[in-house]
Amino acid sequence: QSALTQPRSVSGSPGQSVTISCTGTSSDVGGYNYVSWYQQHPGKAPKLMIYDVSKRPSGVPDRFSGSKSGNTASLTISGLQAEDEADYYCCSYAGSYTVFGGGTKLTVL
Amino acid sequence: EVQLVESGGGLVQPGGSLRLSCAASGFTFSSYEMNWVRQAPGKGLEWVSYISSSGSTIYYADSVKGRFTISRDNAKNSLYLQMNSLRAEDTAVYYCAREADTATLDYWGQGTLVTVSS
Repeated sequence: QSALTQPRSVSGSPGQSVTISCTGTSSDVGGYNYVSWYQQHPGKAPKLMIYDVSKRPSGVPDRFSGSKSGNTASLTISGLQAEDEADYYCCSYAGSYTVFGGGTKLTVL
Repeated sequence: EVQLVESGGGLVQPGGSLRLSCAASGFTFSSYEMNWVRQAPGKGLEWVSYISSSGSTIYYADSVKGRFTISRDNAKNSLYLQMNSLRAEDTAVYYCAREADTATLDYWGQGTLVTVSS
């Protein structure tokens, strides 16, 4: 049950795009189309942003998109806004358990 | 409105026990799978345990297997986590989360803090 690998931090200027990667194995990310992404602001509960690799829940801006290639999933945020500054976590189904990534801190410069 | 409210956290000595509760409202609790997820201070999210809608299927993270027990009471719209043999590394905010689809946690509670310290 090893955590998925995410970059510790990424940054971008308002209006730019950033991509956060999430690398697992064929037993989790690569084996199922069940990857989700969560946004967490300091002191708050996580919020679902993407599920089933690329689906967006209602209310999530279409600036947020997800994809997957092999054992690596990605979250892309386009048209960066100040309120996007937060921690982002990927999550994958792995059969008899669920595994999160270590988290990525997004800084909007 | 979907609401999940955790309770039962607090300070406990190493080796002690604690029972967390999660009260659900605003949806048909018995139709949803549920999870516990924790977050140590300044650290990332860690999945802890899963229970199916009927309670018949249960999974645990290796880090808590044999010490923690997840359960639910659909008549009371409540989810529980019995934590025994607690260790310092179990110190975290514990969240309950509804699973809308496989590995899709669409609603989270506000969390309850568990501190394991002498």
